[in-house]
Amino acid sequence: ILNVEQSPQSLHVQEGDSTNFTCSFPSSNFYALHWYRWETAKSPEALFVMTLNGDEKKKGRISATLNTKEGYSYLYIKGSQPEDSATYLCAFMGYGQNFVFGPGTRLSVLP
Amino acid sequence: DTAVSQTPKYLVTQMGNDKSIKCEQNLGHDTMYWYKQDSKKFLKIMFSYNNKELIINETVPNRFSPKSPDKAHLNLHINSLELGDSAVYFCASSQDTGGMGRMGSLEAFFGQGTRLTVV
Repeated sequence: ILNVEQSPQSLHVQEGDSTNFTCSFPSSNFYALHWYRWETAKSPEALFVMTLNGDEKKKGRISATLNTKEGYSYLYIKGSQPEDSATYLCAFMGYGQNFVFGPGTRLSVLP
Repeated sequence: DTAVSQTPKYLVTQMGNDKSIKCEQNLGHDTMYWYKQDSKKFLKIMFSYNNKELIINETVPNRFSPKSPDKAHLNLHINSLELGDSAVYFCASSQDTGGMGRMGSLEAFFGQGTRLTVV
């Protein structure tokens, strides 16, 4: 059974703060690591798909890094805004396998 | 146009009934999925379907069955509904799955979810 973990489980930050959270996944049979943003009452939306060790991706104020050898990825949000409040999911994909989602990190940005 | 659409959005039904949830994607993707959001809000894979290959999560009861009339559709049929089946079900699609050897996009697109309530 693949184990994909995320920490922290939830996070409250003030508007303007920068924050980051972690996704841990198996370091063997790696194919891809995804990050999704999931707002309440909506469907998850893809932020990044990362496939190479050392990958760094950026979209606006959000960026992510990937270390496949040690099995972790970080998601960073710079200058958090209230509209960043959501659950951030990572999903691990092994070679020839389905996505396995982590439990998510619930971010609340307080104005 | 909505990329991945599910119907209905809400479904309330009695125990013992048989129901279906429809899913359609207009992205030309090869793989479609069904996920169940469990009581802890986790997304758990139920099925994936790619080129007529069905991969089933062994924990899914056999009362649940996916039906794919064509590449753009993957419907979820549920027989003899039970109270514990109440949940939000998400359909998703992607161009490819891990290791298929093609350079398609791995990004998954999700439907809006169907909230199933069994009473």
